[in-house]
Amino acid sequence: GENVEQHPSTLSVQEGDSAVIKCTYSDSASNYFPWYKQELGKRPQLIIDIRSNVGEKKDQRIAVTLNKTAKHFSLHITETQPEDSAVYFCAASIAGANSKLTFGKGITLSVRP
Amino acid sequence: KAGVTQTPRYLIKTRGQQVTLSCSPISGHRSVSWYQQTPGQGLQFLFEYFSETQRNKGNFPGRFSGRQFSNSRSEMNVSTLELGDSALYLCASSLTLSGANVLTFGAGSRLTVL
Repeated sequence: GENVEQHPSTLSVQEGDSAVIKCTYSDSASNYFPWYKQELGKRPQLIIDIRSNVGEKKDQRIAVTLNKTAKHFSLHITETQPEDSAVYFCAASIAGANSKLTFGKGITLSVRP
Repeated sequence: KAGVTQTPRYLIKTRGQQVTLSCSPISGHRSVSWYQQTPGQGLQFLFEYFSETQRNKGNFPGRFSGRQFSNSRSEMNVSTLELGDSALYLCASSLTLSGANVLTFGAGSRLTVL
């Protein structure tokens, strides 16, 4: 089955700096890659997703890039703010098939004011 | 519209007991997935139900089971509780199968096993 790994497990950045969180996946058939953000004490929420037919997707300060050859995808957050502090989960699946979403273990991002 | 509702929010059980957790999905969503969240282990997939049928199952022992009703509400049951079952149990609903759609999570049921 699919295996999704995230690294690093924790990341600390200064407010205003950029943060990059990288994930790797094992199943080359995976074609749907969402990112979920979980703030302390709250439920995970989708922040951005990408499908394998595009290499990059942006939404304001966040962007996701996908490298299908290397089987990795990354979340980029620019101009980080304290409210960006949270656990970020990446996931992968084969959309259109009877495939479950496989999550990574999460990365804790801390934005220092 | 109402979000995903999980009950109970908190519960304490002792080893050997069993527990049933409930999840009411967003109206119109037909898929309900269940996840176990523990520190350092992320979101571990338990199972997914779609139209009352289990579509996928994670690598958990048979003590973990679930079902889905005709109104898409879902329950999960854990029998013979162990200390290691202490966790936050999250359910998530989606329009169709979770592998291709946005998941909307509930607030979770926090289980403590003593």
